[in-house]
Amino acid sequence: EAGVVQSPRYKIIEKKQPVAFWCNPISGHNTLYWYLQNLGQGPELLIRYENEEAVDDSQLPKDRFSAERLKGVDSTLKIQPAELGDSAVYLCASSRGGRGGRSDEQYFGPGTRLTVT
Amino acid sequence: DAKTTQPPSMDCAEGRAANLPCNHSTISGNEYVYWYRQIHSQGPQYIIHGLKNNETNEMASLIITEDRKSSTLILPHATLRDTAVYYCIVRRGTTGSARQLTFGSGTQLTVLP
Repeated sequence: EAGVVQSPRYKIIEKKQPVAFWCNPISGHNTLYWYLQNLGQGPELLIRYENEEAVDDSQLPKDRFSAERLKGVDSTLKIQPAELGDSAVYLCASSRGGRGGRSDEQYFGPGTRLTVT
Repeated sequence: DAKTTQPPSMDCAEGRAANLPCNHSTISGNEYVYWYRQIHSQGPQYIIHGLKNNETNEMASLIITEDRKSSTLILPHATLRDTAVYYCIVRRGTTGSARQLTFGSGTQLTVLP
């Protein structure tokens, strides 16, 4: 089966510019996650979707970050305006979801490396 | 979720077993131990998970101590492609907010030729 697809793989923008990242999860996966990964650190959760509903966005900086998952499939993460400190890798992951019985492991995309100059 | 402690780096000779330790002394009875790895420029990849018993799959073995306060991930015959950062994660379950993975800094495993 196809894995999690993310685009673009790399993005360089100037500060104060907007930027958007796109994610297509594995077919049939109800749960979608966006993570932020700074250099030398593990990924940190930004937001989790169950189908089209954002059920955990407590770590998303809502003053400049926004996300959507229309129709419960693809998702877009936006930053407006970008700041120098936003330079990082943005990872998307998906999992089957549902209740119990399965490991519900998360499958990650390759990430988008953002550089803000 | 319980916090985990891992050594920042380890080396292993190619073809030898790689044993990656993880300390999770505050783990609760209903929390699972998960292992993921992240090869350079890729997203993390699920390896294995367990609750109490030792587990084995095609990628690795997971040994959990009887008191569950520590575990070891074993790659039986390490190859150069196993060079990666390995994350040990304690997770409450697979529903609701427990679904979240909290990554630490992991262990950078370098397999040497």
